[in-house]
Amino acid sequence: GAVVSQHPSRVICKSGTSVKIECRSLDFQATTMFWYRQFPKQSLMLMATSNEGSKATYEQGVEKDKFLINHASLTLSTLTVTSAHPEDSSFYICSARPSLSRRTGGHEQYFGPGTRLTVT
Amino acid sequence: DAKTTQPPSMDCAEGRAANLPCNHSTISGNEYVYWYRQIHSQGPQYIIHGLKNNETNEMASLIITEDRKSSTLILPHATLRDTAVYYCIVRLSSKEGAQKLVFGQGTRLTINP
Repeated sequence: GAVVSQHPSRVICKSGTSVKIECRSLDFQATTMFWYRQFPKQSLMLMATSNEGSKATYEQGVEKDKFLINHASLTLSTLTVTSAHPEDSSFYICSARPSLSRRTGGHEQYFGPGTRLTVT
Repeated sequence: DAKTTQPPSMDCAEGRAANLPCNHSTISGNEYVYWYRQIHSQGPQYIIHGLKNNETNEMASLIITEDRKSSTLILPHATLRDTAVYYCIVRLSSKEGAQKLVFGQGTRLTINP
């Protein structure tokens, strides 16, 4: 099956620093990628939709200047948490949807393993 | 996208069938029912999806009622590795313009030895 990777899997940073998380689709091209955040014992919350070559679309309440998203190629999207604070500590998960083709039905969406961010 | 309602938690004995219900009474005619699961500290995993007909794959079966207002995910022979949070999501297909999967609270399924 299709594979999505995230790097790093875990990161600890100090308050005030910035952290970049990478999301890669390893064996398919993804025009669209999604970024989610998940706090302990809660569900996934969609943060933004990332489209290759264009600006990301952020969900209501998500600060675009704090969570910078760059989808520079069809296989890579990055999320940068700027000026991180302890309340940004969370599990960040990306997902990727294969570019539509005759072979895909528009249903597939594959998730990465997640990145656990701890801000001290 | 239509909203779904799932029980917060369920238990099932190992080796038995696990039946997870989902209500989606406001589903529209061209919205699909998707099931994903999330094992602790991992990314969600796709299980199955359907529109009107019942569906089966190597992981599970999906039973959709005739009026499409509810569905049931069936894991035929549950194992301890099936312990996870199961999410039922209703959405259009991407070909019809849908972009995102929105997760509700899901059902925390615990398989007991």
